[in-house]
Amino acid sequence: DAGITQSPRYKITETGRQVTLMCHQTWSHSYMFWYRQDLGHGLRLIYYSAAADITDKGEVPDGYVVSRSKTENFPLTLESATRSQTSVYFCASSERGPVHTGELFFGEGSRLTVL
Amino acid sequence: TQLLEQSPQFLSIQEGENLTVYCNSSSVFSSLQWYRQEPGEGPVLLVTVVTGGEVKKLKRLTFQFGDARKDSSLHITAAQPGDTGLYLCAGEVSNAGKSTFGDGTTLTVKP
Repeated sequence: DAGITQSPRYKITETGRQVTLMCHQTWSHSYMFWYRQDLGHGLRLIYYSAAADITDKGEVPDGYVVSRSKTENFPLTLESATRSQTSVYFCASSERGPVHTGELFFGEGSRLTVL
Repeated sequence: TQLLEQSPQFLSIQEGENLTVYCNSSSVFSSLQWYRQEPGEGPVLLVTVVTGGEVKKLKRLTFQFGDARKDSSLHITAAQPGDTGLYLCAGEVSNAGKSTFGDGTTLTVKP
């Protein structure tokens, strides 16, 4: 099915462990994004990518690593998870250009709990 | 510093009432979007506004972009329980390719 899918949907881990959240889109959108959503903070941008092999930091990048070797995939890695990284993580994609509004298409989210 | 300020943060009204949600900033946006999010799901786009002074209507929802492109409002007429959700505004500065979100307005419409 076309769309943007995230996995896992739910993850419980322990402090200090490495965790990777996966994101896959089938639209061939050039842009992909990772946001985290916490109560009282709305959506905050972690990292984004304008194309394969091009990534850039957002508002809250510390403690996270991303890669984009293929256009359709944009994994987010927490190298050493901390309790403050407990959150709901949303992946999104969009296309740019004269006929595009920059609409963000979101996945269903990955709820991460760090104990 | 929050780039986009949304107000009110919470709104609880009765079915049939009207309401307005505001999104304000000191920055000028090349475009601004409104999203609606339901529990357990990702946000879904309602509208994009790009021109200062622009007004867009989507059934009972009216969106306005300020003349200076620094603020926006969402007005809902005759709210229904199905309008319940989190409303988020998101702005893009200078076609930077990334959007900044406001903290959202949680709307509850009681039958």
